[in-house]
Amino acid sequence: GAVVSQHPSWVICKSGTSVKIECRSLDFQATTMFWYRQFPKQSLMLMATSNEGSKATYEQGVEKDKFLINHASLTLSTLTVTSAHPEDSSFYICSARLGTNSYEQYFGPGTRLTVT
Amino acid sequence: AQSVTQLGSHVSVSEGALVLLRCNYSSSVPPYLFWYVQYPNQGLQLLLKYTTGATLVKGINGFEAEFKKSETSFHLTKPSAHMSDAAEYFCAGITDSWGKLQFGAGTQVVVTP
Repeated sequence: GAVVSQHPSWVICKSGTSVKIECRSLDFQATTMFWYRQFPKQSLMLMATSNEGSKATYEQGVEKDKFLINHASLTLSTLTVTSAHPEDSSFYICSARLGTNSYEQYFGPGTRLTVT
Repeated sequence: AQSVTQLGSHVSVSEGALVLLRCNYSSSVPPYLFWYVQYPNQGLQLLLKYTTGATLVKGINGFEAEFKKSETSFHLTKPSAHMSDAAEYFCAGITDSWGKLQFGAGTQVVVTP
């Protein structure tokens, strides 16, 4: 089946540093990937839609200069949290859409980011 | 625009009892609806989906859901709960042509022996 991986699975960083999270579709090509943020005991909040070869589309209220998204290939999208602060600590989940003829999304296992 | 509402943030069921999780949607276009399950500190796993065709959809792990247009509902059921069903369940619907999903608030399922 369609598998999406994320790396790292967890990361601790100091305030002010940047962190890059990778999202890969392992056995399919994904022209569209999505990045979500999830706070404890809450639902997923869509941050941005990432299309291969073009700029990401950010949801209202999401700082695009802080959360840099790059979708350089059909199997890889990256999210870089720049100048991280403790309030950026969260669970970040990516998903990849299974082709343009399907609305199915397959989710990565998530990345737990803790900013100290 | 599509919106998804899950009724009940917390459901407790006995092992072997029926699991019923409620989801209602609002949309002016034919919906594409999904149920996902999330275990602690993990990503989401697709349980089942409705796109077109048969309104009773069977998924993995014995779950099924019925799309009822007249009631704008897509409730998830499982006849007999198992301890391994304890998890968070999310109903979601497509909101645009890119395939953006809007999630319900989630329902935490607790299974008691």
